[in-house]
Amino acid sequence: NAGVMQNPRHLVRRRGQEARLRCSPMKGHSHVYWYRQLPEEGLKFMVYLQKENIIDESGMPKERFSAEFPKEGPSILRIQQVVRGDSAAYFCASSPRQGYGNTIYFGEGSWLTVV
Amino acid sequence: AQSVTQLDSQVPVFEEAPVELRCNYSSSVSVYLFWYVQYPNQGLQLLLKYLSGSTLVKGINGFEAEFNKSQTSFHLRKPSVHISDTAEYFCAVVYVSNFGNEKLTFGTGTRLTIIP
Repeated sequence: NAGVMQNPRHLVRRRGQEARLRCSPMKGHSHVYWYRQLPEEGLKFMVYLQKENIIDESGMPKERFSAEFPKEGPSILRIQQVVRGDSAAYFCASSPRQGYGNTIYFGEGSWLTVV
Repeated sequence: AQSVTQLDSQVPVFEEAPVELRCNYSSSVSVYLFWYVQYPNQGLQLLLKYLSGSTLVKGINGFEAEFNKSQTSFHLRKPSVHISDTAEYFCAVVYVSNFGNEKLTFGTGTRLTIIP
């Protein structure tokens, strides 16, 4: 049973370009979470999605960032017009249902570097 | 505001010595508590979790943690560390709500370095 798959693992973008990060949850998991880890910091919650629904996006920056989890295919975190401050590790996690009585599983992360 | 504090950003420990990594959280009626480990350039692996019941929780790799509600703490311990324990350790809390929209709040992490 494959774990949470994220790609790309490493992504380099120039300022002003777009970054797309993909996350395939574990088989049977319909809940996806995105977290961002800035250098020397802990993980910060960004967004929580279920299939075709954004449940909580309270941690998403108001501009340039968006996320989706379509009925088919992976969840996508999209960052438009990237700036140097977007350089970070972005982690996706999934769970089979709502509620943290169920363990959530993390992917290995996507490292974004903006040059 | 809900927060998680890991006071020690770095902890060096000699091999085979005991270690305690501290975690405190802001007070709340109901919480779930977690410890994760992150090896360099990797994702997070769950070490252990507290949801309810016994306040002493045992996890993988010989780690354990104790939930202390009066002190709002969830310190991680291991009686004898190994070189392979060198990693970043994150404490995380879910503040349980009636809305069901629970999310993990992480501490800033503690870098554990094992000295041979």
